[in-house]
Amino acid sequence: AQTVTQSQPEMSVQEAETVTLSCTYDTSESNYYLFWYKQPPSRQMILVIRQEAYKQQNATENRFSVNFQKAAKSFSLKISDSQLGDTAMYFCAFMKHWTGNQFYFGTGTSLTVIP
Amino acid sequence: EAGVAQSPRYKIIEKRQSVAFWCNPISGHATLYWYQQILGQGPKLLIQFQNNGVVDDSQLPKDRFSAERLKGVDSTLKIQPAKLEDSAVYLCASSRSPSGRATLDTQYFGPGTRLTVL
Repeated sequence: AQTVTQSQPEMSVQEAETVTLSCTYDTSESNYYLFWYKQPPSRQMILVIRQEAYKQQNATENRFSVNFQKAAKSFSLKISDSQLGDTAMYFCAFMKHWTGNQFYFGTGTSLTVIP
Repeated sequence: EAGVAQSPRYKIIEKRQSVAFWCNPISGHATLYWYQQILGQGPKLLIQFQNNGVVDDSQLPKDRFSAERLKGVDSTLKIQPAKLEDSAVYLCASSRSPSGRATLDTQYFGPGTRLTVL
């Protein structure tokens, strides 16, 4: 079975600074995908960034980037130039390749951006 | 492109009552998911449809939960009878196709239905 662990239940960061959210996962699969989703207080889950495990290059999306360490089974999210709108729950998710897209979610990290 | 629609947004019922939730996925998305998100936890998959067929319902409490996706578009999730521990947000998500490619398999979520069972 796949498990996804987010060891930081809560984090805070000053506006305009950088913060890193941690995620580790356990799997015996070699092909898979990893995602970070954001869930603001309105509760609509929004995709932040995705990474395909076969790609060595870390994914980036504007202010969001990941540090994907496949051997260590680590997938951290870095948010640069934090903005007040980044305040949300962040979920790390794992999806096996070719299994009908079942996601395994972590328990989430609540991020607060402080003005 | 319209997003995933869900209704109602909020529902309060007493235990042993019945409740139903509705989901309309993004147009053209073949795969639809229902998740249960208990406060303080990540979403847990209840059931997954591909078109109108069930792909995975291994975590669906079938003695009280049921779901259908007639015609492969809209879906309803029903709880009968509800228990206190069913209080949660029920999220619906859809993805374009089970292609095994992350760009197509990304799940898009609806706003959720917050259920409170008293």
